[in-house]
Amino acid sequence: EAQVTQNPRYLITVTGKKLTVTCSQNMNHEYMSWYRQDPGLGLRQIYYSMNVEVTDKGDVPEGYKVSRKEKRNFPLILESPSPNQTSLYFCASGLNLAGGPSTGELFFGEGSRLTVL
Amino acid sequence: AQSVTQLDSQVPVFEEAPVELRCNYSSSVSVYLFWYVQYPNQGLQLLLKYLSGSTLVKGINGFEAEFNKSQTSFHLRKPSVHISDTAEYFCAVTRTGTASKLTFGTGTRLQVTL
Repeated sequence: EAQVTQNPRYLITVTGKKLTVTCSQNMNHEYMSWYRQDPGLGLRQIYYSMNVEVTDKGDVPEGYKVSRKEKRNFPLILESPSPNQTSLYFCASGLNLAGGPSTGELFFGEGSRLTVL
Repeated sequence: AQSVTQLDSQVPVFEEAPVELRCNYSSSVSVYLFWYVQYPNQGLQLLLKYLSGSTLVKGINGFEAEFNKSQTSFHLRKPSVHISDTAEYFCAVTRTGTASKLTFGTGTRLQVTL
């Protein structure tokens, strides 16, 4: 089954304790991205990756790191979490062929709800 | 850069009534446009998209949207909604030539009641 898998789905942590949210896709997609969803603000892009070893900042990258060592995995790292990073996080993947039938079709994970105390 | 404005944060509607969710975009270059739907406690899934050609596009679950370049709009419509359509709907845009780097609007919550 084609899917994007995020872990953990729920996490409560404390300020400053490093954490990693994993994301894995089994569709051989080149493109992967992390979004955070907050009430009234919609989805805001944190980081994205066009392919292995190619990552770039999105609109709200401060306080986050990513890596893309393998095509299927795109972990999100919070080195020193703060309460303003309490949010619902989504990982998404898609093909990287503009104009084709798959253009813009992102596949989303089920989300990771993070609370930082 | 591209941006998307969804003017209505919430739209209440009775079952079997028609509905329109509004989306306006801003861009200095040609764009692709999308509507995604998020059901409760789930991730987003693609509803429909406009890449080129006919300005009226049809998607899943009976939804359709019309691209209006002069008004920079991409409104979503359904002639008769069901309870199961209750969800949050996001309009998104990316410039032509890029496949997946989408910019999303703030979302419209569609609440369908009996």
